[in-house]
Amino acid sequence: TQLLEQSPQFLSIQEGENLTVYCNSSSVFSSLQWYRQEPGEGPVLLVTVVTGGEVKKLKRLTFQFGDARKDSSLHITAAQPGDTGLYLCAGEYAGNMLTFGGGTRLMVKP
Amino acid sequence: NAGVTQTPKFQVLKTGQSMTLQCAQDMNHEYMSWYRQDPGMGLRLIHYSVGAGITDQGEVPNGYNVSRSTTEDFPLRLLSAAPSQTSVYFCASRPLVNSPLHFGNGTRLTVT
Repeated sequence: TQLLEQSPQFLSIQEGENLTVYCNSSSVFSSLQWYRQEPGEGPVLLVTVVTGGEVKKLKRLTFQFGDARKDSSLHITAAQPGDTGLYLCAGEYAGNMLTFGGGTRLMVKP
Repeated sequence: NAGVTQTPKFQVLKTGQSMTLQCAQDMNHEYMSWYRQDPGMGLRLIHYSVGAGITDQGEVPNGYNVSRSTTEDFPLRLLSAAPSQTSVYFCASRPLVNSPLHFGNGTRLTVT
C-alpha cells in the first residue's frame, strides 16, 4: 500500500484543455514535492510546497498544498504537447524519507 | 558538473547472479538514495544514506545491500538476483532533508 495515492493514473487530452492531478494521503507530510519525468530520464523537480494551504504558480502550472498537509493538487491551464510526461508527487516524512505517489501519465495531443 | 552518474545503463542477469549498480555524485551531497520504478508504482525507496558510514532501509529493502564509504559513492548490491527485481533503478542525492532530489538517468535491469 502506497502512502500517497495519485489520480488519475492516465490522462489523454487535447491541446488547450485544462486538467487537475490529485495526490492524496491519510498521513501528514512536512513538505510535498512535484516532479516531472521524461522517458529514459530521471524525474526533475517542478516545485516544493511546505506550508498548509500554500499555492505556487509556475507559468501555466498551479500547485496547492492542502490545509492539513495531507494532500496536494497540480492544475495545468491550456495544456500544450510539451506538457506530455509522467507527473509524480512525493511527500517528506519520518524526518528523512521521501515517498512517491504512483504517478500520472499525461498525454497532450496537438 | 556531471551531477548524479549511474552505471551501467542497461543490464541483463540470470536468476541467482549478483551484481553492483554504481552511483556517484559530484555535488558534495550528504544524502543519497536508491529507488526502483515499476509501471504504475511510481518510485519506491530501497535504501538511503544521510552521510558517509551511515545507511538505512527504505520501503522495499529486501534483496538489496548498500554501503557508503565516501560522500561521493553509493553502490547498490544485488546478492542473488530474482525476476521480481526486474525494474528501472534510480539513484538520487540531495544536500539535506526537505530539499529536492537530483536523479541519475537510471539503470534498466532485467532478470531472466
